[in-house]
Amino acid sequence: GAGVSQSPRYKVAKRGQDVALRCDPISGHVSLFWYQQALGQGPEFLTYFQNEAQLDKSGLPSDRFFAERPEGSVSTLKIQRTQQEDSAVYLCASSQTSGSSYGELFFGEGSRLTVL
Amino acid sequence: GQNIDQPTEMTATEGAIVQINCTYQTSGFNGLFWYQQHAGEAPTFLSYNVLDGLEEKGRFSSFLSRSKGYSYLLLKELQMKDSASYLCAVRAFSGGYNKLIFGAGTRLAVHP
Repeated sequence: GAGVSQSPRYKVAKRGQDVALRCDPISGHVSLFWYQQALGQGPEFLTYFQNEAQLDKSGLPSDRFFAERPEGSVSTLKIQRTQQEDSAVYLCASSQTSGSSYGELFFGEGSRLTVL
Repeated sequence: GQNIDQPTEMTATEGAIVQINCTYQTSGFNGLFWYQQHAGEAPTFLSYNVLDGLEEKGRFSSFLSRSKGYSYLLLKELQMKDSASYLCAVRAFSGGYNKLIFGAGTRLAVHP
């Protein structure tokens, strides 16, 4: 596609529910990142994929967070047993290659999660 | 670890010039980016510096001093549509790949 696409744009979940957030990166982009952005803050790194391999998951806040990219294209971020502190915008970004000299990230519009 | 500091908020007048500063501490430095983010929207790429000096792109310029761990974004001829958050982000090479680490952002309000 022309840009990074994320769905759903808005998600309201009751505390304890599981949620799944989808990211469709720009076609051909090798690198895919997930970030969490709280209100009034900058994006915080969650996890990184190079093709289908998850090379870094050091930013995932707890073992309730899980991400996958099984075929090296679409990625899903899953949050189990959601809690109120999980409320944030979840941004997905892709880039041509993480090793390029430029390699700026292209962001999706995010999925805004509200946990009641 | 990494640390990125930028002012929380700034205000400026339409038509004026504003400079947004960013200081950083990081290992494996491999470039500095500035992104613009309007409320409720995705961050969009503005500029990139990897060598010391000034990069100019239309009304926007960005400066980098690697020895001082310092960058600034200069916005000229401010327009109302420039009201947004400006994110300073450092790219660090670690563990075999580049990771982009963001500051908290500077919210710029442009007044008539």
